Amino acid sequence: KQEVTQIPAALSVPEGENLVLNCSFTDSAIYNLQWFRQDPGKGLTSLLLIQSSQREQTSGRLNASLDKSSGRSTLYIAASQPGDSATYLCAVAARQLTFGSGTQLTVLP
Amino acid sequence: DTGVSQDPRHKITKRGQNVTFRCDPISEHNRLYWYRQTLGQGPEFLTYFQNEAQLEKSRLLSDRFSAERPKGSFSTLEIQRTEQGDSAMYLCASSFLAGLRHGTDTQYFGPGTRLTVL
Repeated sequence: KQEVTQIPAALSVPEGENLVLNCSFTDSAIYNLQWFRQDPGKGLTSLLLIQSSQREQTSGRLNASLDKSSGRSTLYIAASQPGDSATYLCAVAARQLTFGSGTQLTVLP
Repeated sequence: DTGVSQDPRHKITKRGQNVTFRCDPISEHNRLYWYRQTLGQGPEFLTYFQNEAQLEKSRLLSDRFSAERPKGSFSTLEIQRTEQGDSAMYLCASSFLAGLRHGTDTQYFGPGTRLTVL
């Protein structure tokens, strides 16, 4: 059974800092890995999708990497802003999406 | 708005009552997913449809839960004889995927229905 773990569970940083969120998964037989953002009480917004054959994807200030063999992914956020405050979820896709529990990020002005 | 919509956004009910949620996917999407999310956890897969066919159900989907997508467009999720443990956010997502390949589609999520069972 696939298990997805995200560390840390919560993170608080001052505005402007670069930061890294971590995701690990137990079964490397995946099609892709996705990072989502969830604002309080809201649905999920897809940020980045990395196919299993890819090593990284970039969108604006976000960069996600994937090391399938070691079962790890990182989400790098450059020059963080208060508007980045949200919960960030990673999910691996096999027969269905399996999500981690998320990292709750707070960026302090 | 052409995104995924869910109705109602919030539902408070008493234990033992039946509730039904509706999801309207993005119009051209053939796949529709239901997830459940409890506080502090990531969403957990419940079931999905390709067009009107329900292709997979999680073991989390007890016999009190039933989902339908009668015309391959909107979907309903019904919970019978609700229990306090059913309190959660119920999320719907849709995607387009040709064929029956698993796990390669980008899913677009709705805002969710928050259920509170008293």
